[in-house]
Amino acid sequence: QKEVEQDPGPLSVPEGAIVSLNCTYSNSAFQYFMWYRQYSRKGPELLMYTYSSGNKEDGRFTAQVDKSSKYISLFIRDSQPSDSATYLCAMSAGANSKLTFGKGITLSVRP
Amino acid sequence: KAGVTQTPRYLIKTRGQQVTLSCSPISGHRSVSWYQQTPGQGLQFLFEYFSETQRNKGNFPGRFSGRQFSNSRSEMNVSTLELGDSALYLCASSFLGDGGLNTEAFFGQGTRLTVV
Repeated sequence: QKEVEQDPGPLSVPEGAIVSLNCTYSNSAFQYFMWYRQYSRKGPELLMYTYSSGNKEDGRFTAQVDKSSKYISLFIRDSQPSDSATYLCAMSAGANSKLTFGKGITLSVRP
Repeated sequence: KAGVTQTPRYLIKTRGQQVTLSCSPISGHRSVSWYQQTPGQGLQFLFEYFSETQRNKGNFPGRFSGRQFSNSRSEMNVSTLELGDSALYLCASSFLGDGGLNTEAFFGQGTRLTVV
Protein backbone atom coordinates (compact mmCIF):
# COMPACT_ATOMS: atom_id res chain seq x y z
CA GLN A 1 0.00 0.00 0.00
CA LYS A 2 1.37 3.40 -0.98
CA GLU A 3 1.73 5.91 1.83
CA VAL A 4 -0.44 8.46 0.00
CA GLU A 5 -3.29 7.58 -2.35
CA GLN A 6 -4.99 10.10 -4.56
CA ASP A 7 -7.94 9.62 -6.93
CA PRO A 8 -6.34 9.16 -10.37
CA GLY A 9 -8.87 11.14 -12.41
CA PRO A 10 -8.92 12.88 -14.79
CA LEU A 11 -11.75 15.12 -13.65
CA SER A 12 -13.77 17.39 -15.92
CA VAL A 13 -16.31 19.89 -14.56
CA PRO A 14 -18.25 22.85 -15.95
CA GLU A 15 -17.24 26.38 -15.02
CA GLY A 16 -18.75 27.44 -11.70
CA ALA A 17 -18.89 23.91 -10.26
CA ILE A 18 -17.64 22.99 -6.79
CA VAL A 19 -14.69 20.63 -7.06
CA SER A 20 -13.70 18.15 -4.37
CA LEU A 21 -10.24 16.58 -4.49
CA ASN A 22 -9.22 13.95 -1.97
CA CYS A 23 -6.26 12.01 -0.65
CA THR A 24 -5.94 9.24 1.89
CA TYR A 25 -2.79 8.23 3.70
CA SER A 26 -1.55 5.39 5.85
CA ASN A 27 1.31 6.97 7.84
CA SER A 28 -0.11 8.26 11.10
CA ALA A 29 3.09 10.27 11.67
CA PHE A 30 2.10 12.79 8.99
CA GLN A 31 1.39 16.17 10.56
CA TYR A 32 1.85 18.66 7.73
CA PHE A 33 -0.53 18.57 4.77
CA MET A 34 -0.19 20.52 1.56
CA TRP A 35 -1.86 20.93 -1.79
CA TYR A 36 0.20 21.84 -4.82
CA ARG A 37 -1.02 22.92 -8.25
CA GLN A 38 0.99 22.12 -11.35
CA TYR A 39 0.29 23.67 -14.72
CA SER A 40 1.51 21.95 -17.86
CA ARG A 41 5.28 22.30 -18.37
CA LYS A 42 5.69 24.01 -15.00
CA GLY A 43 6.86 22.97 -11.56
CA PRO A 44 4.33 22.50 -8.74
CA GLU A 45 3.35 25.59 -6.75
CA LEU A 46 2.12 25.55 -3.15
CA LEU A 47 -1.60 26.25 -2.95
CA MET A 48 -2.57 25.46 0.63
CA TYR A 49 -0.76 24.29 3.75
CA THR A 50 -2.36 22.90 6.95
CA TYR A 51 -0.82 21.67 10.16
CA SER A 52 -2.64 18.80 11.91
CA SER A 53 -6.43 18.49 11.68
CA GLY A 54 -8.88 21.21 10.77
CA ASN A 55 -9.96 23.48 7.98
CA LYS A 56 -8.22 26.33 6.22
CA GLU A 57 -9.79 28.71 3.74
CA ASP A 58 -8.11 30.94 1.19
CA GLY A 59 -10.43 32.65 -1.26
CA ARG A 60 -12.18 30.02 -3.34
CA PHE A 61 -10.04 27.23 -1.88
CA THR A 62 -10.68 25.27 1.33
CA ALA A 63 -8.41 22.56 2.68
CA GLN A 64 -9.68 20.02 5.20
CA VAL A 65 -7.70 17.52 7.21
CA ASP A 66 -9.24 14.66 9.19
CA LYS A 67 -6.39 12.87 10.92
CA SER A 68 -8.69 10.36 12.60
CA SER A 69 -9.75 9.10 9.16
CA LYS A 70 -6.39 9.80 7.52
CA TYR A 71 -8.18 11.80 4.86
CA ILE A 72 -7.56 15.23 3.38
CA SER A 73 -9.59 17.24 0.91
CA LEU A 74 -9.31 20.34 -1.21
CA PHE A 75 -12.50 22.13 -2.24
CA ILE A 76 -12.57 24.66 -5.06
CA ARG A 77 -15.66 26.87 -5.21
CA ASP A 78 -16.86 28.64 -8.35
CA SER A 79 -14.26 26.80 -10.43
CA GLN A 80 -12.71 28.70 -13.33
CA PRO A 81 -11.03 27.53 -16.57
CA SER A 82 -7.79 28.93 -15.10
CA ASP A 83 -8.07 26.27 -12.37
CA SER A 84 -7.40 23.60 -15.01
CA ALA A 85 -4.19 21.95 -13.82
CA THR A 86 -2.87 18.91 -11.99
CA TYR A 87 -3.42 18.98 -8.24
CA LEU A 88 -1.09 17.08 -5.95
CA CYS A 89 -1.48 16.43 -2.26
CA ALA A 90 1.70 16.22 -0.18
CA MET A 91 2.44 15.33 3.41
CA SER A 92 5.33 15.24 5.82
CA ALA A 93 5.91 13.87 9.29
CA GLY A 94 7.98 16.74 10.62
CA ALA A 95 9.16 20.23 9.91
CA ASN A 96 12.40 18.94 8.36
CA SER A 97 11.00 15.77 6.86
CA LYS A 98 10.71 14.92 3.20
CA LEU A 99 7.46 15.54 1.37
CA THR A 100 5.49 12.48 0.23
CA PHE A 101 3.23 13.24 -2.72
CA GLY A 102 0.10 11.70 -4.13
CA LYS A 103 0.22 10.91 -7.86
CA GLY A 104 -1.88 13.93 -8.71
CA ILE A 105 -5.23 14.42 -10.41
CA THR A 106 -5.72 16.41 -13.60
CA LEU A 107 -8.64 18.82 -13.42
CA SER A 108 -10.23 20.37 -16.48
CA VAL A 109 -12.79 23.17 -16.04
CA ARG A 110 -14.93 23.61 -19.16
CA PRO A 111 -16.05 27.16 -20.03
CA LYS B 1 13.00 37.94 -6.30
CA ALA B 2 14.17 35.26 -8.71
CA GLY B 3 12.60 31.83 -8.40
CA VAL B 4 14.26 28.44 -8.41
CA THR B 5 16.31 28.01 -11.57
CA GLN B 6 17.05 24.63 -13.07
CA THR B 7 19.38 23.99 -15.97
CA PRO B 8 19.22 22.64 -18.54
CA ARG B 9 15.47 22.55 -19.25
CA TYR B 10 15.72 19.64 -21.67
CA LEU B 11 18.29 16.91 -22.08
CA ILE B 12 18.60 13.84 -24.28
CA LYS B 13 21.13 11.21 -23.27
CA THR B 14 22.05 7.72 -24.38
CA ARG B 15 21.69 4.68 -22.15
CA GLY B 16 24.88 4.13 -20.15
CA GLN B 17 25.90 7.79 -20.11
CA GLN B 18 25.90 10.00 -17.06
CA VAL B 19 24.21 13.35 -16.56
CA THR B 20 24.49 16.31 -14.19
CA LEU B 21 21.57 18.62 -13.47
CA SER B 22 21.87 21.97 -11.76
CA CYS B 23 19.58 23.85 -9.38
CA SER B 24 19.95 27.41 -8.09
CA PRO B 25 17.61 28.00 -5.12
CA ILE B 26 15.83 31.19 -4.18
CA SER B 27 18.25 33.61 -2.56
CA GLY B 28 18.40 32.95 1.19
CA HIS B 29 17.00 29.43 0.93
CA ARG B 30 19.31 26.85 2.48
CA SER B 31 17.43 23.62 1.81
CA VAL B 32 17.34 22.04 -1.64
CA SER B 33 15.37 18.89 -2.43
CA TRP B 34 15.27 16.85 -5.61
CA TYR B 35 12.31 14.90 -6.96
CA GLN B 36 11.69 12.63 -9.93
CA GLN B 37 8.30 12.93 -11.63
CA THR B 38 6.97 10.26 -14.00
CA PRO B 39 3.42 9.56 -15.20
CA GLY B 40 3.46 6.13 -13.59
CA GLN B 41 4.97 6.90 -10.19
CA GLY B 42 4.19 10.58 -9.73
CA LEU B 43 6.55 12.75 -7.72
CA GLN B 44 9.14 10.75 -5.82
CA PHE B 45 11.64 12.19 -3.37
CA LEU B 46 15.29 11.67 -4.23
CA PHE B 47 17.23 13.56 -1.56
CA GLU B 48 17.50 16.81 0.36
CA TYR B 49 20.56 18.92 1.10
CA PHE B 50 20.89 21.50 3.83
CA SER B 51 24.09 23.42 4.51
CA GLU B 52 26.03 21.18 2.12
CA THR B 53 24.96 18.00 3.96
CA GLN B 54 22.52 15.38 2.76
CA ARG B 55 19.79 15.38 5.39
CA ASN B 56 17.14 13.10 3.88
CA LYS B 57 17.32 10.40 1.24
CA GLY B 58 14.65 8.58 -0.75
CA ASN B 59 14.63 5.02 -2.04
CA PHE B 60 16.67 5.40 -5.21
CA PRO B 61 19.74 3.40 -6.23
CA GLY B 62 23.24 4.70 -5.66
CA ARG B 63 23.44 5.78 -9.31
CA PHE B 64 21.57 8.88 -8.17
CA SER B 65 23.72 11.27 -6.19
CA GLY B 66 23.84 14.91 -5.37
CA ARG B 67 25.74 17.65 -3.66
CA GLN B 68 25.27 21.18 -2.44
CA PHE B 69 27.75 24.00 -2.59
CA SER B 70 28.44 26.72 -0.03
CA ASN B 71 26.20 29.14 -1.96
CA SER B 72 23.33 26.60 -1.63
CA ARG B 73 23.37 25.75 -5.33
CA SER B 74 22.89 22.04 -5.86
CA GLU B 75 23.72 19.48 -8.50
CA MET B 76 22.27 16.06 -9.10
CA ASN B 77 24.14 13.34 -10.95
CA VAL B 78 22.83 10.15 -12.48
CA SER B 79 25.39 7.64 -13.66
CA THR B 80 24.92 4.70 -16.03
CA LEU B 81 21.62 6.01 -17.34
CA GLU B 82 18.77 3.57 -17.94
CA LEU B 83 15.71 4.03 -20.12
CA GLY B 84 13.59 4.13 -16.96
CA ASP B 85 15.42 7.24 -15.79
CA SER B 86 13.52 9.29 -18.36
CA ALA B 87 11.53 11.73 -16.27
CA LEU B 88 11.03 15.31 -15.18
CA TYR B 89 13.55 16.11 -12.44
CA LEU B 90 12.36 18.83 -10.11
CA CYS B 91 14.29 20.82 -7.60
CA ALA B 92 12.64 22.59 -4.68
CA SER B 93 14.10 25.09 -2.26
CA SER B 94 12.92 26.03 1.22
CA PHE B 95 13.81 28.71 3.70
CA LEU B 96 14.59 27.25 7.09
CA GLY B 97 14.35 29.93 9.72
CA ASP B 98 13.92 29.38 13.43
CA GLY B 99 11.97 26.20 13.93
CA GLY B 100 13.19 24.82 10.65
CA LEU B 101 9.84 24.60 8.91
CA ASN B 102 10.54 22.92 5.62
CA THR B 103 7.02 22.57 4.31
CA GLU B 104 6.85 25.61 2.06
CA ALA B 105 8.87 24.29 -0.84
CA PHE B 106 9.23 26.35 -4.03
CA PHE B 107 9.77 24.31 -7.16
CA GLY B 108 11.70 25.05 -10.30
CA GLN B 109 10.33 24.26 -13.76
CA GLY B 110 12.31 21.06 -13.90
CA THR B 111 14.72 19.37 -16.28
CA ARG B 112 13.11 17.00 -18.76
CA LEU B 113 15.54 14.10 -19.21
CA THR B 114 15.02 11.64 -22.04
CA VAL B 115 17.19 8.53 -22.17
CA VAL B 116 17.35 6.80 -25.56
